[in-house]
Amino acid sequence: EAGVVQSPRYKIIEKKQPVAFWCNPISGHNTLYWYRQNLGQGPELLIRYENEEAVDDSQLPKDRFSAERLKGVDSTLKIQPAELGDSAVYLCAISGERGETQYFGPGTRLLVL
Amino acid sequence: QKEVEQDPGPLSVPEGAIVSLNCTYSNSAFQYFMWYRQYSRKGPELLMYTYSSGNKEDGRFTAQVDKSSKYISLFIRDSQPSDSATYLCAMLGMDSSYKLIFGSGTRLLVRP
Repeated sequence: EAGVVQSPRYKIIEKKQPVAFWCNPISGHNTLYWYRQNLGQGPELLIRYENEEAVDDSQLPKDRFSAERLKGVDSTLKIQPAELGDSAVYLCAISGERGETQYFGPGTRLLVL
Repeated sequence: QKEVEQDPGPLSVPEGAIVSLNCTYSNSAFQYFMWYRQYSRKGPELLMYTYSSGNKEDGRFTAQVDKSSKYISLFIRDSQPSDSATYLCAMLGMDSSYKLIFGSGTRLLVRP
């Protein structure tokens, strides 16, 4: 976790409200991932960035989710509007050239009421 | 059917026991096999990864991969209460997607 800072750590919102999450890799890594982890499940990939480019967003619900990675460093993930089913932990991960070594941040725990 | 199956547990063992955690998978394209440890309210922490079949040892942890059976294991020797966590297996193919496919995790409780 030391290589990835995520904020906020917890967020409670009402349904239909917007919400944003931030990921700040401490050191430079070309590849950045957003995963969603539902309760009692393993993480599932939402989007992968190579530098500024989203190279795999096939699992991102594009009607309500958006993401960006400016300057190939920090990244934001946004949901608008949030639904009850979006309650989950949103994890940011980084890796170097070898995708098999992915390092995760602590996650943002979202509760939609 | 999920690509990766993992018994959710919980698995409760006494301190000092040998723990065996396992995953099965269906996709023969997987080539990299990882084990992550996740403490409550923390992100997954990479413990070990193995390429293709074989064994890999790191301290009290040993990872085994049997591709012929599509079965992977993590053994923990001399288990400690601090090992109590959820253990997630994850797998990666040789394509360029870098998309980890996770099991649902096994909760482990090591009793003092």
